[in-house]
Amino acid sequence: NAGVMQNPRHLVRRRGQEARLRCSPMKGHSHVYWYRQLPEEGLKFMVYLQKENIIDESGMPKERFSAEFPKEGPSILRIQQVVRGDSAAYFCASSPRTVSSTDTQYFGPGTRLTVL
Amino acid sequence: DAKTTQPNSMESNEEEPVHLPCNHSTISGTDYIHWYRQLPSQGPEYVIHGLTSNVNNRMASLAIAEDRKSSTLILHRATLRDAAVYYCILRDNTGTASKLTFGTGTRLQVTL
Repeated sequence: NAGVMQNPRHLVRRRGQEARLRCSPMKGHSHVYWYRQLPEEGLKFMVYLQKENIIDESGMPKERFSAEFPKEGPSILRIQQVVRGDSAAYFCASSPRTVSSTDTQYFGPGTRLTVL
Repeated sequence: DAKTTQPNSMESNEEEPVHLPCNHSTISGTDYIHWYRQLPSQGPEYVIHGLTSNVNNRMASLAIAEDRKSSTLILHRATLRDAAVYYCILRDNTGTASKLTFGTGTRLQVTL
């Protein structure tokens, strides 16, 4: 059973460009979470999605950031008009259909975004 | 989610036991205690979780104080591969659990 997959692993963008980060959850998992880790800081929750629905986006910046998890295909975190402060590691996690406080979130290897 | 407090860093010798403490004095009766760790340049990985009773799995043991205001993650024999940042996280069981709230964690260094 393949783990959570993220691509690309490294992404370099110039200021003003768009960044698209992809996450394929573990097989059978329909819940996806995105977290951001700024340099030398802890992980911060961004958004929680189920198939075709955003459940909790309380950690998403109000502008330039969006996320989706379509019925088919990976979850996408999209950052428009990137700025240097967006440089960070972005981690995706997934969990099984039954979500409770005892469930385990399985993390991908992350995408390291560098904005020049 | 309730707040946790952990030491910033700890050191251990290889093959020695390691006790990583976590204080959570404001824990509620429905909060589960979860531990995750993040190895260098990797995503976090689940270690263990518990509610009231001590728990053991192949990775570690979790000792929970009787009043649940603190807990200790125990690595029985630290190896160099256990060098990581360890996060103690509380998760509420009353609603639909979603996000993990990471603190600053404890950076564990393991030396020969």
